[in-house]
Amino acid sequence: QVQLQESGPGLVKPSETLSLTCIVSGDSVSSGGSYWGWIRQPPGKGLEWIGYMHHSGSANYNPSLKSRVTLSFDTSKNQFSLKLSAVTAADTAVYYCARDRKYDYNDYGVDYWGQGTLVTVSS
Amino acid sequence: QSVLTQPPSASGTPGQRVPISCSGSTSNIGTNHVFWYQQFPGTAPKLLIYRNSQRPSGVPDRFSGSKSDTSASLAISGLRSEDEADYYCAAWDDSLSAWVFGGGTKLTVL
Repeated sequence: QVQLQESGPGLVKPSETLSLTCIVSGDSVSSGGSYWGWIRQPPGKGLEWIGYMHHSGSANYNPSLKSRVTLSFDTSKNQFSLKLSAVTAADTAVYYCARDRKYDYNDYGVDYWGQGTLVTVSS
Repeated sequence: QSVLTQPPSASGTPGQRVPISCSGSTSNIGTNHVFWYQQFPGTAPKLLIYRNSQRPSGVPDRFSGSKSDTSASLAISGLRSEDEADYYCAAWDDSLSAWVFGGGTKLTVL
């Protein structure tokens, strides 16, 4: 059973950098065909994809967030991280880490999600 | 404004069949598979349907998915009170090189 668990500060000041980590069990972030990434959900609103990456170095980002997003792996701990810079109140959301499973060539889909962590941007 | 369009709400009585639509374009649903997620308040989304119509292990066969051209549909038959939740569709968009979601449909069991 694949499990993902987010961790990080629940409160970030405007203009600072939001940093979250996702620890994975039941699968390896450094092998296999899966991508690993982040999705967020502002309070009372819908889902917004942030981006994902593969251990090979391949990555894709939401065009609206790309300039502020950094994704990275720590394979020794089987975890991956999100950094979102220059945050504003609009970045307040529940942040989910997720596995983007490979079903076939160029055919992926998010199957496992973390439980989510609320990050509030406020001074 | 979501790239994929879903009705904001849907409802039905126990035992009924309720469809939820998801409309997109040739760059997303028209080209790629559709995924559906179920979300209860305060919890993470759960995969309900993958690759248009396939159910993960453990998902009841009351839930079914279909796709035609640039639209997809989730159908819930034999509606139960525990099906009351938010439902989201998703697909990869080739033009944006990004996953896109529908705005979500809140299902109410009357």
